[in-house]
Amino acid sequence: GQNIDQPTEMTATEGAIVQINCTYQTSGFNGLFWYQQHAGEAPTFLSYNVLDGLEEKGRFSSFLSRSKGYSYLLLKELQMKDSASYLCAVRDGDYKLSFGAGTTVTVRA
Amino acid sequence: IAGITQAPTSQILAAGRRMTLRCTQDMRHNAMYWYRQDLGLGLRLIHYSNTAGTTGKGEVPDGYSVSRANTDDFPLTLASAVPSQTSVYFCASSPEGTGEQFFGPGTRLTVL
Repeated sequence: GQNIDQPTEMTATEGAIVQINCTYQTSGFNGLFWYQQHAGEAPTFLSYNVLDGLEEKGRFSSFLSRSKGYSYLLLKELQMKDSASYLCAVRDGDYKLSFGAGTTVTVRA
Repeated sequence: IAGITQAPTSQILAAGRRMTLRCTQDMRHNAMYWYRQDLGLGLRLIHYSNTAGTTGKGEVPDGYSVSRANTDDFPLTLASAVPSQTSVYFCASSPEGTGEQFFGPGTRLTVL
């Protein structure tokens, strides 16, 4: 099975940077995903890491260390619209995803 | 339709009743999934199907059944609903081999 941990809540100021950490313990690992979910909406894909290192996509970056069972999502130049839940998910060898409980990020003016 | 759709959007159901949640995708994705999302617990996998004609159990399958008669449709049935099945249900699909999942808009189900 999978055990995925991420903080419950984070608050940051508009224009700032926030880093959301995710640690995992898995029986099989085949990639790590980050999803964004606005309140009352469906999750949408943000990023994917399967190899160690940093993947950058605009204001969002994601990092993976497989040996440490650790990932983070970095949100730069925060905007009010970034207020949402961010879900860390680990993929197993059967392409099934196990999700963490999510981190709710609140961006304040 | 474009993408993945779910019906109904929301439903209030009496305990003991049978209910089928519908999910349809037009992206020709082989894999489809059903999740429930509860506050503080995140998304939990109920059942999945890697291709038409096959299904598998996820983390929380009890009380639910699925079928996959064709590529596009993946209905989820609650044979006899119980209050603990009150949740938001998301259907998702994925192209073969990529793992990225695309989610439907969700069904909010309340069992009284």
